[in-house]
Amino acid sequence: DAGVIQSPRHEVTEMGQEVTLRCKPISGHDYLFWYRQTMMRGLELLIYFNNNVPIDDSGMPEDRFSAKMPNASFSTLKIQPSEPRDSAVYFCASSQTGRMNTEAFFGQGTRLTVV
Amino acid sequence: GEDVEQSLFLSVREGDSSVINCTYTDSSSTYLYWYKQEPGAGLQLLTYIFSNMDMKQDQRLTVLLNKKDKHLSLRIADTQTGDSAIYFCAESKGSGGYQKVTFGTGTKLQVIP
Repeated sequence: DAGVIQSPRHEVTEMGQEVTLRCKPISGHDYLFWYRQTMMRGLELLIYFNNNVPIDDSGMPEDRFSAKMPNASFSTLKIQPSEPRDSAVYFCASSQTGRMNTEAFFGQGTRLTVV
Repeated sequence: GEDVEQSLFLSVREGDSSVINCTYTDSSSTYLYWYKQEPGAGLQLLTYIFSNMDMKQDQRLTVLLNKKDKHLSLRIADTQTGDSAIYFCAESKGSGGYQKVTFGTGTKLQVIP
């Protein structure tokens, strides 16, 4: 497997525009996580899914953020409208039920810059 | 609570040992992890320890767990420049199929040649 794949790797957009980040988890993994990393706040869990169903979205900062997982191999994180304070690196990760040590496999991240 | 705390920065000389510390608050944690993030990359699992263990050694890495004090440390022997990265401590808890993982804010390790 190629690992968790995120696209795009870099995104620069203007304030007010809609941004969509994409993630393909590792095949067979039933958990998917979206994290945001900033210098000020470190790594924050935004939302996670189990079997394509959102389980906990308490980390989503505002209604401007939304995430979907239409099938087991694809998820999106959308920001509409985007603001400069949304600038961060967004990571997607996946893991598999039944593994006692629950290792999370991370994608390479999307660096978002909102100007 | 679910706080996992780490110092932000550590600088060591090449060849010395590095010790990265972490404290957590949830005594029901089942596993504790150390992840490594190299520049421009995602996090990768380095090692983990089950909560009923005190120590785990894996080549140059030694993990020490003090459950009473809720303190976890990662020791890297003979630190190399390639060890320069951000190291994240994480804890997991839960039962059944899923264990929720909480990450610390990360410690940036700088290795000076």
